[in-house]
Order: sequence, then structure tokens, then C-alpha cells
Amino acid sequence: GAGVSQSPRYKVAKRGQDVALRCDPISGHVSLFWYQQALGQGPEFLTYFQNEAQLDKSGLPSDRFFAERPEGSVSTLKIQRTQQEDSAVYLCASSLATEKREQFFGPGTRLTVL
Amino acid sequence: GNSVTQMEGPVTLSEEAFLTINCTYTATGYPSLFWYVQYPGEGLQLLLKATKADDKGSNKGFEATYRKETTSFHLEKGSVQVSDSAVYFCALVRTGNQFYFGTGTSLTVIP
Repeated sequence: GAGVSQSPRYKVAKRGQDVALRCDPISGHVSLFWYQQALGQGPEFLTYFQNEAQLDKSGLPSDRFFAERPEGSVSTLKIQRTQQEDSAVYLCASSLATEKREQFFGPGTRLTVL
Repeated sequence: GNSVTQMEGPVTLSEEAFLTINCTYTATGYPSLFWYVQYPGEGLQLLLKATKADDKGSNKGFEATYRKETTSFHLEKGSVQVSDSAVYFCALVRTGNQFYFGTGTSLTVIP
């Protein structure tokens, strides 16, 4: 496709369940980012990949959050033992490798933890 | 640290009114500045950007000027339309690729 796609678009999980969120970036985009957007807030940085290398994971809120991009394309954000405070929209973005370039965002996955 | 402060919403305007959404930033060095827009049910889209002081970004009738002396990047449009109803986010990136976003300003334009 032409843009960044994410799946699922909506996910409801019971507290304590593990979830996996998928991101397909724009073809050829080297950089991939994950953000968390709480209701009424702006996106907050979670982690960043350049190709398959995770260069920055300083925004991951706890060790329950894990992201991977094994072949430098599709990425998965995994949240283990979900908690209610994990409820948010998770956004994926991709960009060309050059610094400070525009990021292209996917539609997001809305996670609700009951 | 790096941060962005946006004018709080929601903002409600009549069609053809003048729009200003204030944005100020804190960052060391020379960040690039962006405005993103999020239409209902859609992902964030780049609206405009500026990469150095005194640059003016513009798109779809919207404008913003990078003012280093006031650390501001206010968004303006001379005549808003109903289709401009959306949430607007100001953002900066300094080094690397980590974006810092404001909290967003919701705009509703009524006919």
C-alpha cells in the first residue's frame, strides 16, 4: 500500500493478557517509530528503529513493553501482562533515514484494557 | 529538555473566520518545527514544516513562521472552512528523529 498500515485497528484485552500490535511501514522507509497517545494528549515517543536495529527505546514505559523489527520492515510492539494504564492509541510512523525528516503516520491501534 | 506547549482548546469558529493556534517550544540548538493535523478517524498528516529560523511553512492556506527570538511557531489561516475541523498538533525534532508533540488543539468550524 501507499501508506503506513497498522493492525488491528482496535484491540480489547483483559488485564494481564499479552497483546501484539503490527506496523507495516512505507516501502523503502528505513526509520520506524512507535508512539503512545493517551486520550486528549499528543503522541509520546516509545521507541525507534533504523532498519532492524533498535536505536532508542528510552520511551518504553516498562519492561512489559517490547518492540522488534527483525527484517527491517514490519515491526511488532508487544505488551505483556497488560494493565489498565496501557489503554491508549499506539501509533506507528516511518520516515526516510535523514535526520529531522517528516514522519508518516499510520491510523493507529486503539488498545482498551479492561 | 525538549517540549512543545500549545494553546488549549477546543476552539470553535464560524466559517471564514481567522484562525490562530499558538505554539511555543523549548529546545536547545536548532530544532525543526512541524504542524500535523488529525482529521476524525484518520492518522496524523503533515500540514507544514519549517527547518530554520524565519522560515515560513505553508500548505492549504495555513501558514506558520519559525520565530527563534520568541521560540514560537503559531499556526494561522485567514479564512477557515468546515473541512478544516480537526485536531492540530505542533511538534519539534532536534537531533536524531525523535519528535516531541504538543497536546493538540481541537478546532471545530461551524457553517
